[in-house]
Amino acid sequence: DAKTTQPNSMESNEEEPVHLPCNHSTISGTDYIHWYRQLPSQGPEYVIHGLTSNVNNRMASLAIAEDRKSSTLILHRATLRDAAVYYCILTGREGGSEKLVFGKGTKLTVNP
Amino acid sequence: DAGITQSPRHKVTETGTPVTLRCHQTENHRYMYWYRQDPGHGLRLIHYSYGVKDTDKGEVSDGYSVSRSKTEDFLLTLESATSSQTSVYFCAISDRVYSYSGNTIYFGEGSWLTVV
Repeated sequence: DAKTTQPNSMESNEEEPVHLPCNHSTISGTDYIHWYRQLPSQGPEYVIHGLTSNVNNRMASLAIAEDRKSSTLILHRATLRDAAVYYCILTGREGGSEKLVFGKGTKLTVNP
Repeated sequence: DAGITQSPRHKVTETGTPVTLRCHQTENHRYMYWYRQDPGHGLRLIHYSYGVKDTDKGEVSDGYSVSRSKTEDFLLTLESATSSQTSVYFCAISDRVYSYSGNTIYFGEGSWLTVV
């Protein structure tokens, strides 16, 4: 399985930008990069995804390195509600099957 | 929010008893998944389904079976529950093959299972 590496935890202050890194050096050419987050006692929720180009949506921005071996999720102004575990995931096709495999994620703490 | 309902939301059961968790969707999505989440392991895929009566194993399928007789329902069964199966179980759905489209999957709110 294609692997991702994320820091176990990060801390930020409210209303400041947050850059959450993810390394995926074994990514294949057809793998998409997805980010999900999980708030306490809830199921994961979609944040953003991309293939090659940087992406923006109302929640966040995704910056993808030119060689695609790393990416960064950017929260432009962190709020207390952004405190969650953030998962960087590669989606692809392996052995003829579709699978979405989660790593351990980065726990983001937002300080008031 | 995607229409995903998991039941029961909380259950305590005894070792050796059978347990069935139900995932019901109202989105008519083709793909359905069962994950378990444990401290230190993150989310791990148990089984998934790519259509009615079409299922496949995930990375932690031992001790679990699944069935999908209707598009809207995906059942996860623990034939003989063990304490190691105490966990939070999440159901998820998606409408297309995500590897070709980067499609989003949607998660339910989870089922907390305690095996004593």
